[in-house]
Amino acid sequence: AQSVTQLDSQVPVFEEAPVELRCNYSSSVSVYLFWYVQYPNQGLQLLLKYLSGSTLVKGINGFEAEFNKSQTSFHLRKPSVHISDTAEYFCAVSVKTLNTGFQKLVFGTGTRLLVSP
Amino acid sequence: DAGVTQSPTHLIKTRGQQVTLRCSPKSGHDTVSWYQQALGQGPQFIFQYYEEEERQRGNFPDRFSGHQFPNYSSELNVNALLLGDSALYLCASSARQSNQPQHFGDGTRLSIL
Repeated sequence: AQSVTQLDSQVPVFEEAPVELRCNYSSSVSVYLFWYVQYPNQGLQLLLKYLSGSTLVKGINGFEAEFNKSQTSFHLRKPSVHISDTAEYFCAVSVKTLNTGFQKLVFGTGTRLLVSP
Repeated sequence: DAGVTQSPTHLIKTRGQQVTLRCSPKSGHDTVSWYQQALGQGPQFIFQYYEEEERQRGNFPDRFSGHQFPNYSSELNVNALLLGDSALYLCASSARQSNQPQHFGDGTRLSIL
């Protein structure tokens, strides 16, 4: 079964410093990968997606991620974080049912990014 | 263009009661998925509806049921509520014929006393 592992439950970082949030997935088939951000008392907002093509994916708010098939990773990076980036970040893989084509998302447990001045 | 809307935003129930949560998908989307997000956890897939039928289901008991209406909106029903059902319930919509990502609503926070 497909699964997603986010190795860090919490990542503290100072403002303007770079950050990397790690994500590893397990899947035996082609994958679609996503990063979502969740601010307090809100739903999930899509940061970026990998469907195919270039392995370096750029998203909103200056975030980017790199798909690495050999390491089954999809780490999220930002070169300089802001206080407003403080939030919960979820990595997800889209799992497609082969006979119907319907897709569902399997999420990691999330990483809380804490940006301090 | 309205995104995914969910109602109510908050709900308090007691054990054994029943609850109905509602979701209107993003314009142009025909598929609705429901997820449960317990405190400190990632969302867990409950089920998915397309053309008014349940198309796939996660590892949730039959107490969790749903419905999709002709206008693509959806309801999630939970019977015989347990304390462990306390969570944020998220609705996501997508277009069946697309690989584009699901769009999420802000969720309904359900608290069971």
